[in-house]
Amino acid sequence: SAVISQKPSRDICQRGTSLTIQCQVDSQVTMMFWYRQQPGQSLTLIATANQGSEATYESGFVIDKFPISRPNLTFSTLTVSNMSPEDSSIYLCSVGIAGTDTQYFGPGTRLTVL
Amino acid sequence: QKEVEQDPGPLSVPEGAIVSLNCTYSNSAFQYFMWYRQYSRKGPELLMYTYSSGNKEDGRFTAQVDKSSKYISLFIRDSQPSDSATYLCAMSARSGGSYIPTFGRGTSLIVHP
Repeated sequence: SAVISQKPSRDICQRGTSLTIQCQVDSQVTMMFWYRQQPGQSLTLIATANQGSEATYESGFVIDKFPISRPNLTFSTLTVSNMSPEDSSIYLCSVGIAGTDTQYFGPGTRLTVL
Repeated sequence: QKEVEQDPGPLSVPEGAIVSLNCTYSNSAFQYFMWYRQYSRKGPELLMYTYSSGNKEDGRFTAQVDKSSKYISLFIRDSQPSDSATYLCAMSARSGGSYIPTFGRGTSLIVHP
């Protein structure tokens, strides 16, 4: 298993500002993922972040809006840029464990945009 | 039609009841099936993981996969108030060695004393 922490755990932001969410893992992992979870909805994958390469974004998500960094094998950041109330959601990072086909999730960041 | 369908509930049961949670799916390529439990204000935690069809048991939890019907279930025996949470099914078809599951929207379970 992996222990994952996220910062901040929650935030309330003003429209038009940006927020950077940090994800720290207690072991080196190749694959890290960023998800969005809106109330009553399933987890939606935003992007896959692999160390040493550009993040791969899913349909409907773009780098200008959700820039991602992956400087090493234990850390990643997701920035939510130029926020609007529609960005209010829970943002989750997760890691894939090689050979197990499973993912472990962080506790999430609850974002409210006013 | 969504790839994975899951009734959001809520499902309310008395303590000690047997709970049945279900998902249906449309993609016949799915081979890996998972159940996650998510408590309020927490991230999802992996509960059960099965490959292909069949049953898997872990304590009070049993996961069942019927690929012919494209239907998976999670049974909870002797349910406890501490089982109150949202249960998400997830499934994947390994593609090129990567693992990106498709999640259901989750079923909210309430076990009352």
